[in-house]
Amino acid sequence: QKEVEQDPGPLSVPEGAIVSLNCTYSNSAFQYFMWYRQYSRKGPELLMYTYSSGNKEDGRFTAQVDKSSKYISLFIRDSQPSDSATYLCAMYPRSGTYKYIFGTGTRLKVLA
Amino acid sequence: KAGVTQTPRYLIKTRGQQVTLSCSPISGHRSVSWYQQTPGQGLQFLFEYFSETQRNKGNFPGRFSGRQFSNSRSEMNVSTLELGDSALYLCASSFAGGATDTQYFGPGTRLTVL
Repeated sequence: QKEVEQDPGPLSVPEGAIVSLNCTYSNSAFQYFMWYRQYSRKGPELLMYTYSSGNKEDGRFTAQVDKSSKYISLFIRDSQPSDSATYLCAMYPRSGTYKYIFGTGTRLKVLA
Repeated sequence: KAGVTQTPRYLIKTRGQQVTLSCSPISGHRSVSWYQQTPGQGLQFLFEYFSETQRNKGNFPGRFSGRQFSNSRSEMNVSTLELGDSALYLCASSFAGGATDTQYFGPGTRLTVL
């Protein structure tokens, strides 16, 4: 079993929809949670970063972490065709390992 | 400010050969991490270097190795290539590494092993 599980999709939604992307994990040592966006033929870029449990909002993006359920989510409101990309969750333990664990990524397509 | 650059962008090799990939981090960044990305396994951590020292490595065979130079540029080497090594190899740089330090990824090197 992988440490981080993520539905690979693809997920197709109409423009303007609310998108929910999720990851589950098994290692309770993870303390830092990140979402990256990767466009085709590009490297991933950091979207959101959350420490421990709770919510964080940045424009149309909201990241949620539920450590009791070992479940994290990224919500995209008013989705746009430009949001079409692969979204990767990533996790990092408490300190000192310098090693990120990534999910496999969910491909999202927003249809105009 | 220039981003992370990786060379070459594309490589085709045959089984048994070896390959060296290069990564130039953002100026001032001293941490460089390498990842292998495949459709089935996603992004998997290979190793991380800081100030020419490897601080952590992932679960890859010894055929995968790396190094970092005094100017923070990094190389990774794969010896005795196998078909399963076909992947996108990404490097990422940050100031010092660690969870609160944003990683910036390069565009990757696409390696195809025939």
